Amino acid sequence: DPKIIQKPKYLVAVTGSEKILICEQYLGHNAMYWYRQSAKKPLEFMFSYSYQKLMDNQTASSRFQPQSSKKNHLDLQITALKPDDSATYFCASSQDAEYNNQAPLFGEGTRLSVL
Amino acid sequence: AQKVTQTQTSISVMEKTTVTMDCVYETQDSSYFLFWYKQTASGEIVFLIRQDSYKKENATVGHYSLNFQKPKSSIGLIITATQIEDSAVYFCAMRNTGGLSGKLTFGEGTQVTVIS
Repeated sequence: DPKIIQKPKYLVAVTGSEKILICEQYLGHNAMYWYRQSAKKPLEFMFSYSYQKLMDNQTASSRFQPQSSKKNHLDLQITALKPDDSATYFCASSQDAEYNNQAPLFGEGTRLSVL
Repeated sequence: AQKVTQTQTSISVMEKTTVTMDCVYETQDSSYFLFWYKQTASGEIVFLIRQDSYKKENATVGHYSLNFQKPKSSIGLIITATQIEDSAVYFCAMRNTGGLSGKLTFGEGTQVTVIS
């Protein structure tokens, strides 16, 4: 059974709309992350959270807003969607962000297509 | 700034043989961690193996092993006795020590195809 659940698996959106990508982890981890994988690009780090606090934000746009309502949840709200936002968004988690030898484990991703 | 480069776009190998893929990295830090992941055809990303920069010994997990050459800023992945299910895209990633970000910097990936 997957321990990091991302919903939905596929998402189609219209340009200018807003969507929320859901992520829940059942590993008891304290750190959660979002990464983006666009066509022909490597996985790109977006955000990290530790104990529900934002630790790092590497996205240039404020249209991307993470939301952590519970320790094991880290959703990603994307507003004013653009076709360039089309990508697969991966949620990941690790025991703690500051223990850098821990390999984050990844969810199955949400594939977003913006038309 | 950190940078990770995988120059091999794709590799094809015969089943039961050994495949080696390269990864070079750039960092200003003296201490860091290197990771290898694989991404299957379904899109699943799976952690494989880690190398700590302060360790001279090459890490080994199952049929995965690393060739860590610190002076060359190089971390190669070696897969022995390959199987069809090893066909995937393999990503190298790096994380510096210190800080609370936990950010991983990934390379572009190497597509490995195992042929029967």
